[in-house]
Amino acid sequence: QSVLPQPPSASGTPGQRVTISCSGTTSNIGTNYVYWYQQLPGTAPRLLIYRNNQRPSGVSDRFSASKSGTSASLAISGLRSEDEADYYCAAWDGSLSGHVIFGGGTKLTVL
Amino acid sequence: QVQLQESGPGLVKPSETLSLTCSVSADSFSTYTWSWIRQPPGKGLEWIGFIRYSGLANYNPSLQSRVSLSIDTSKKQISLKLSSVTAADMAVYFCASTPYKDIVTGYYYFDNWSQGTLVTVSS
Repeated sequence: QSVLPQPPSASGTPGQRVTISCSGTTSNIGTNYVYWYQQLPGTAPRLLIYRNNQRPSGVSDRFSASKSGTSASLAISGLRSEDEADYYCAAWDGSLSGHVIFGGGTKLTVL
Repeated sequence: QVQLQESGPGLVKPSETLSLTCSVSADSFSTYTWSWIRQPPGKGLEWIGFIRYSGLANYNPSLQSRVSLSIDTSKKQISLKLSSVTAADMAVYFCASTPYKDIVTGYYYFDNWSQGTLVTVSS
């Protein structure tokens, strides 16, 4: 697995709650922590969630995440226009010599 | 606070070696591990590798045969070399940091990122 599968797109209207899924295997999500990054248009990614469900300081509590088995999900509640961005999951993959593996990314559109 | 800035040629010819440098502004340079990550235009993120203050590096298996990371602790710089480039290596290249204490604990994430630099591969 070279990329963690994510839905390519997601959308919602302001105020709605949306979820983004991330699928893995026992060598990555199943045995390691999941991280989520937000990439606003034209900018570098920023860490949104660490260690499955922890928010760095400065990240809104509208963002939450969970992990179950070999899958993870990111939830955004009270959707706002400024949430329109690409979202990536990531995890360490212990196969081969070990490496960081990213999700394929989900483009979130706020309608 | 950690600030990162890449430098290097924005254009590389096919089959040649891509070379980039990441200059770090951080009082605690020695307490971080430094990664390179790339993003082809319109596509997702790909981890290239990381290097510790000691110089020990880990690489993405998919790139391991062509990539080399090095660190200059006196200049607070991390360098990337990617050999035999093709059009598939055209991407925005980011450098990023991870606290070393978290790497050794098994927490692999990137808390500070550079702005990214586009490298085009073309003759």
